[in-house]
Amino acid sequence: NAGVTQTPKFRILKIGQSMTLQCAQDMNHNYMYWYRQDPGMGLKLIYYSVGAGITDKGEVPNGYNVSRSTTEDFPLRLELAAPSQTSVYFCASSYTPPGQVAEQFFGPGTRLTVL
Amino acid sequence: EDKVVQSPLSLVVHEGDTVTLNCSYEVTNFRSLLWYKQEKKAPTFLFMLTSSGIEKKSGRLSSILDKKELFSILNITATQTGDSAIYLCAVDFYNQGGKLIFGQGTELSVKP
Repeated sequence: NAGVTQTPKFRILKIGQSMTLQCAQDMNHNYMYWYRQDPGMGLKLIYYSVGAGITDKGEVPNGYNVSRSTTEDFPLRLELAAPSQTSVYFCASSYTPPGQVAEQFFGPGTRLTVL
Repeated sequence: EDKVVQSPLSLVVHEGDTVTLNCSYEVTNFRSLLWYKQEKKAPTFLFMLTSSGIEKKSGRLSSILDKKELFSILNITATQTGDSAIYLCAVDFYNQGGKLIFGQGTELSVKP
C-alpha cells in the first residue's frame, strides 16, 4: 500500500492563480481530510469528507473548495491564490466505523508559496 | 469557541532527561484526545485517550487523560535525540465526522 499520497510536493503560485492539490489513498478509508499548517502552529482543518459525494467545512474553509467523487481521491482547489494561503497542506484519511473515532493517516504534505 | 492549548511551546532537554508535555482543552461534545508526533514531514499517531485516568503506554512514552480537569499529559522518559520532534495533541468530537481540533504543538529538542 502506498498509503496517502499528495502531489505536488512543492509549488509556487502568483497571486490570483488557481491550482488543485491532489490527494489519494489506497486503504479504502471512508473519511478524508485537508489541513493546513502555518509555521509554529498546529494543523487547521480546511474541509473533510465522510464518504464519496459528501463534504463539509472545517475551521478555515474560505478560499478553498473540495470534491469527493470517488473513495480514493480528495482534491483541494484554490481558486484565487492569496499570500495568506502560503502554508504546508496535509491530506489525511481514516477508516472510521459509525460513531467511533479512529487514527488518521497523513500524507507527506504539499508546501505552497503564494507570491 | 473550541480551544486546544499546549504547553510549553518549545522545550530543550539533554539525553536521558524526562519530559512532560501538557495539553488542555475547552470544547463541547468532547469524545477523545489524540497525540501525534511530527518529525520533518507528516504527523504520525501515538495515542488515543477516551477514558479518564487510564494510562496508555508505548515504550518510553506514556499518556493520561483527566476529563474532569480537561487536560492530558504526555511523558517521555530517558529521552533520546530521536525524540526531537513537534508533539501535537488533538481533540475529537461526537457527531462531527471525525474532525480534529489541534493544539499549536510543543517543539521538543533533545541535545546529546
